[in-house]
Amino acid sequence: DAEITQSPRHKITETGRQVTLACHQTWNHNNMFWYRQDLGHGLRLIHYSYGVHDTNKGEVSDGYSVSRSNTEDLPLTLESAASSQTSVYFCASSRDRYNSPLHFGNGTRLTVT
Amino acid sequence: ELKVEQNPLFLSMQEGKNYTIYCNYSTTSDRLYWYRQDPGKSLESLFVLLSNGAVKQEGRLMASLDTKARLSTLHITAAVHDLSATYFCAPSFYGGSQGNLIFGKGTKLSVKP
Repeated sequence: DAEITQSPRHKITETGRQVTLACHQTWNHNNMFWYRQDLGHGLRLIHYSYGVHDTNKGEVSDGYSVSRSNTEDLPLTLESAASSQTSVYFCASSRDRYNSPLHFGNGTRLTVT
Repeated sequence: ELKVEQNPLFLSMQEGKNYTIYCNYSTTSDRLYWYRQDPGKSLESLFVLLSNGAVKQEGRLMASLDTKARLSTLHITAAVHDLSATYFCAPSFYGGSQGNLIFGKGTKLSVKP
């Protein structure tokens, strides 16, 4: 069965370190997204990609970057981790950017100390 | 400013009762998604509403979309404990692509015997 996998599931890091969260999907979807989920804020879009070599900023992109070198993967990098980036991060993909639902990964809980 | 408001944010109801969750949004959108999230889990798609007047039903849940009123509803019929979860609506703005999805803050539903 096709799936979307995030790793690691849990990560603790120190302020100022660079961190990369992995997202891998086997749906062969062109569209991939990164969200963060915080209490009181719901889900907020960080970055998204509509295809290989395409990346776009979302609502809360400062301090984050992504690159898309193939269809399956969209890694999320925190350039210099800050305590405000402690959150649960979800990756998602979709078949059609207009009409189909998002398929979400299981999330990565990141703690920045 | 783009706003998505869900109400109520917290809902405690008894098994067997009916209730409606409301999702209001601030500007034109012609498509809207509903998702469910169990505690500590990922999000799963419930409904995709793609036009004014769209109505979708799955089991005890029914969702509708009124684009003129900028309102979607999620109606729960004869609630059961298994429906306890957080429900998110997400309209898509500015042309409807998923890069323009805005999630509501979620409605946490607790169904008690």
